[in-house]
Amino acid sequence: NAGVTQTPKFQVLKTGQSMTLQCAQDMNHEYMSWYRQDPGMGLRLIHYSVGAGITDQGEVPNGYNVSRSTTEDFPLRLLSAAPSQTSVYFCASSYSRGVDEKLFFGSGTQLSVL
Amino acid sequence: QKEVEQDPGPLSVPEGAIVSLNCTYSNSAFQYFMWYRQYSRKGPELLMYTYSSGNKEDGRFTAQVDKSSKYISLFIRDSQPSDSATYLCAMKDDRLAFGKGNQVVVIP
Repeated sequence: NAGVTQTPKFQVLKTGQSMTLQCAQDMNHEYMSWYRQDPGMGLRLIHYSVGAGITDQGEVPNGYNVSRSTTEDFPLRLLSAAPSQTSVYFCASSYSRGVDEKLFFGSGTQLSVL
Repeated sequence: QKEVEQDPGPLSVPEGAIVSLNCTYSNSAFQYFMWYRQYSRKGPELLMYTYSSGNKEDGRFTAQVDKSSKYISLFIRDSQPSDSATYLCAMKDDRLAFGKGNQVVVIP
C-alpha cells in the first residue's frame, strides 16, 4: 500500500525560484492538506481541500498556491521562494475533515531556500 | 497562552520504564484527542484517537483525557528502543490543532 506519496524528498532552491511539491494518495480520501513543520513551531496548516475542485486556506497560506483537479493529487506550488519557506513540508489525507479527521501523512519534503 | 501546550523534552528513559507524556489545552470546545508518533525523517502516524474523558488502552499504550482539567496524557509501558520518536498531541473541534511534539529517547 503506497498511502500518501510525496516528491521530491529533498530540494534546494534559490530565492525567487518557483517549484511544485507533488502529493498523491491512493486511499480515495476526500480530504487532503499541506503542513509545514518548523523547529519550535510544530505543524502548521498551509492549505487544505475537502474534495476535487475545492480548496481553502489554512493558518499560513501566504506564498503558496494549491489546486485539486483529481481526488488523488494535491500539489503545492511555491510562487517565489523565500528563505522563510525553508522547512519540512508534509502532505496528509483523511477520509473526511469531520470527526473522522484521522490523518495519514506522507514522508515529507525537506526544502531549503538559499 | 498557546492553544495547545506540550513540553518538547527531550525525555530520556531506560528500556522497560514507563514513559509519561502530556499536553494541556485552553480551548474547551476540543472534543477529539489524538496522539501521533513521528520517527526521525518520517511523517507523523496516528497512534491513539480518543473522544471524551477517560482512558483508552491499546497494547502498551494508554491515552488518558481529563476534560475538566484540560489535560491529556499518553503512557507507554515497558518502553522499547523502537519507541524512540517524537510524540505529538492533537486536538479537534472544527479544526485540528497540534502540540509542538515531545522527543522521547529509550536507552537500551
